[in-house]
Amino acid sequence: DGGITQSPKYLFRKEGQNVTLSCEQNLNHDAMYWYRQDPGQGLRLIYYSQIVNDFQKGDIAEGYSVSREKKESFPLTVTSAQKNPTAFYLCASSISTSGIGEQFFGPGTRLTVL
Amino acid sequence: RKEVEQDPGPFNVPEGATVAFNCTYSNSASQSFFWYRQDCRKEPKLLMSVYSSGNEDGRFTAQLNRASQYISLLIRDSKLSDSATYLCVPGGGATNKLIFGTGTLLAVQP
Repeated sequence: DGGITQSPKYLFRKEGQNVTLSCEQNLNHDAMYWYRQDPGQGLRLIYYSQIVNDFQKGDIAEGYSVSREKKESFPLTVTSAQKNPTAFYLCASSISTSGIGEQFFGPGTRLTVL
Repeated sequence: RKEVEQDPGPFNVPEGATVAFNCTYSNSASQSFFWYRQDCRKEPKLLMSVYSSGNEDGRFTAQLNRASQYISLLIRDSKLSDSATYLCVPGGGATNKLIFGTGTLLAVQP
């Protein structure tokens, strides 16, 4: 089955620790995105990548880092510099690299900082 | 002005009712428009793309009014399974990204 997978589903982190969230897709999509969702707010774009070995900052990139070494994979690292990391993290992909095409989401990772 | 404005609801409707959601967007250069549905604690799922001429998919009808910068979603014959949050998502303009609204909560009652 084609789709987007994210792991883990739930993640708990102590303050000061870096954590990496996994995102994999087998849809052969070129573009991949990371968003975070907080209660009562819309999705906010963290980073995006339109091609392998290239990525761009979104609206709230501070305290996060990404890599895009393979087309299928776009992991997100939440660093200790991120002041308020507790949130629902969503990865998406799109066949379009325009940034405004249909995007399809993985099931998300809920990160809680203890 | 917010980039996307939606009535947060909740809209409480009985099964079989017709319900309409409205959304306004601020960027007149937006070029793509979508409705997503999001179940509680789940990921958003694409419901419909919205075309300039309006489009229909079964019980769902989407309309776009570019002059008024307004998008609507009509759901006919509501089902219990339609209960979810509906996100209005325009995209394009200078930023070349999708802008996600905060959503409208629909609760269909038996």
